[in-house]
Amino acid sequence: KQEVTQIPAALSVPEGENLVLNCSFTDSAIYNLQWFRQDPGKGLTSLLLIQSSQREQTSGRLNASLDKSSGRSTLYIAASQPGDSATYLCAVRPYFGNEKLTFGTGTRLTIIP
Amino acid sequence: NAGVTQTPKFQVLKTGQSMTLQCAQDMNHNSMYWYRQDPGMGLRLIYYSASEGTTDKGEVPNGYNVSRLNKREFSLRLESAAPSQTSVYFCASTGGGTSYNEQFFGPGTRLTVL
Repeated sequence: KQEVTQIPAALSVPEGENLVLNCSFTDSAIYNLQWFRQDPGKGLTSLLLIQSSQREQTSGRLNASLDKSSGRSTLYIAASQPGDSATYLCAVRPYFGNEKLTFGTGTRLTIIP
Repeated sequence: NAGVTQTPKFQVLKTGQSMTLQCAQDMNHNSMYWYRQDPGMGLRLIYYSASEGTTDKGEVPNGYNVSRLNKREFSLRLESAAPSQTSVYFCASTGGGTSYNEQFFGPGTRLTVL
């Protein structure tokens, strides 16, 4: 059974710093991995989707990498801002045709002004 | 585009009451999902529908039923609500085109069962 872990559960950093969020998964046979952010009381917003054949994806100040062989993905946030404060979740899809994503429990990020 | 919409936003039920949560998407997506989110448990899949006319159980289907009414709409029904079903419920969809395999979420329904 696929398990997805995000450590740490919470992280606080000063504004302006670059930071890395981690996502680990136990079964490397994945189809894709998706990063989301969730603001308090809101739904999930998709940030980046990485297909299994890709090594990284970038959107603005965000860069997500994928290393299937080691079962790891990282989300890099450059020049952090208070508006980046949210919970960040990763989710893996096992293979094409399987609709069941497995989610991590998230990292709650606080950017200190 | 409204994306994924859910109604109601909030609901309070008494044990044993029934209700239906509504979800609709306007992105022409084939697949739709219902999740629940509980503190410390993360997101868990209740049911999903890979295409119009099909539904399948997820990780925690007991106590729920679903209907894929058409390509746009996917409803979740609680026939006899229990306090253990107090949770935040999210609907999501996945489709093709430029966002192939990317999952999009609705704003959620916060349900309390007394």
